Amino acid sequence: DAGITQSPRHKVTETGTPVTLRCHQTENHRYMYWYRQDPGHGLRLIHYSYGVKDTDKGEVSDGYSVSRSKTEDFLLTLESATSSQTSVYFCAIRGEDTSPLHFGNGTRLTVT
Amino acid sequence: QKEVEQDPGPLSVPEGAIVSLNCTYSNSAFQYFMWYRQYSRKGPELLMYTYSSGNKEDGRFTAQVDKSSKYISLFIRDSQPSDSATYLCAMKNTGRRALTFGSGTRLQVQP
Repeated sequence: DAGITQSPRHKVTETGTPVTLRCHQTENHRYMYWYRQDPGHGLRLIHYSYGVKDTDKGEVSDGYSVSRSKTEDFLLTLESATSSQTSVYFCAIRGEDTSPLHFGNGTRLTVT
Repeated sequence: QKEVEQDPGPLSVPEGAIVSLNCTYSNSAFQYFMWYRQYSRKGPELLMYTYSSGNKEDGRFTAQVDKSSKYISLFIRDSQPSDSATYLCAMKNTGRRALTFGSGTRLQVQP
């Protein structure tokens, strides 16, 4: 494994509640990413970070925010969860611009 | 039109067969090409990473890149039931911070 831990692994929450997912890495990599994966849509980028406090939006960022106050931690927050945010969320990391991505094992989120 | 196209399958083959998985792309600036394997309820795992055109071999796996045709392939020799998974291609160009993924091909290797 690439030293990536996602927590929690599973979560069930109600519509309208805030939810925070955590990604922790032990590789000291610069880049960190949040993806969601849904049947028929593949992997879609939500947000990414290219350094501490440096983040940018991906293709499906609406309803999500992120924070990176330390190199090792990248948090994804659903400000007010909706049923359309039921998905599997993957964190990924990479070191340099030409390095490949390495993924965590995902967080399965259900919004009821 | 998507930047990267990948047949979703499923592709079903008998054990021992040679498997060919493919992606086409439209962005001629892509230079870095990756193949990931994803088992059910797991994260994608990097299988092969190649730069520019050519072949790369690792055990039973061979990755090919044909930039002139904007086409990449992953070949699996002597396929095993344990190869049953979804295979995702991904690619990027220098300076782009995010990868572009194909939608994945589901492979089933029948014992």
